[in-house]
Amino acid sequence: GAVVSQHPSWVICKSGTSVKIECRSLDFQATTMFWYRQFPKQSLMLMATSNEGSKATYEQGVEKDKFLINHASLTLSTLTVTSAHPEDSSFYICSARTMGGNQPQHFGDGTRLSIL
Amino acid sequence: AQSVTQPDIHITVSEGASLELRCNYSYGATPYLFWYVQSPGQGLQLLLKYFSGDTLVQGIKGFEAEFKRSQSSFNLRKPSVHWSDAAEYFCAVASNQAGTALIFGKGTTLSVSS
Repeated sequence: GAVVSQHPSWVICKSGTSVKIECRSLDFQATTMFWYRQFPKQSLMLMATSNEGSKATYEQGVEKDKFLINHASLTLSTLTVTSAHPEDSSFYICSARTMGGNQPQHFGDGTRLSIL
Repeated sequence: AQSVTQPDIHITVSEGASLELRCNYSYGATPYLFWYVQSPGQGLQLLLKYFSGDTLVQGIKGFEAEFKRSQSSFNLRKPSVHWSDAAEYFCAVASNQAGTALIFGKGTTLSVSS
């Protein structure tokens, strides 16, 4: 149980295009989803927290107009990297958790984004 | 502010030998602590978690961790390492379960030699 699916797993696109990454909870309702960014050989850095039906809360230094997050349902959150540039190339990972005490986050397999 | 320190960047262990990965946290109250494992190019898999109660927690794949409040530590252990355990290991802390996101340590890379 508690499976989180992330799609696509790898995307390569030209500079200036927008890329959408989906994060789905397959067998539970995710009241909260998190988006992380991971640089090579480094830890995960939280980008934003989204609660279903609410606007996402972005961490300091993360451009909300650059990284659009939508959490329209209890099983789906999307991250759109708008007008992507090479410096946006990274590994993006989502996680999801359901409401209630002692519920851990469950992570997707990540999306490797390469901007040419 | 909360923080997590994993002092060892890279550890190499012989297959069959025991393993201990260190994790120290900084947090005023009792934290919620986690260990995750990440294989190359993959997401994170939860190994185990500590919320309260017994300070020795058992996880998947034969891993265990012990919460020591006096040392602000939550070290991960395994009695006998297998080659498939080679991966990146992350310790993380959350201040509460009400949706607060995790703060990760920088990770420890485990290599297993034959």
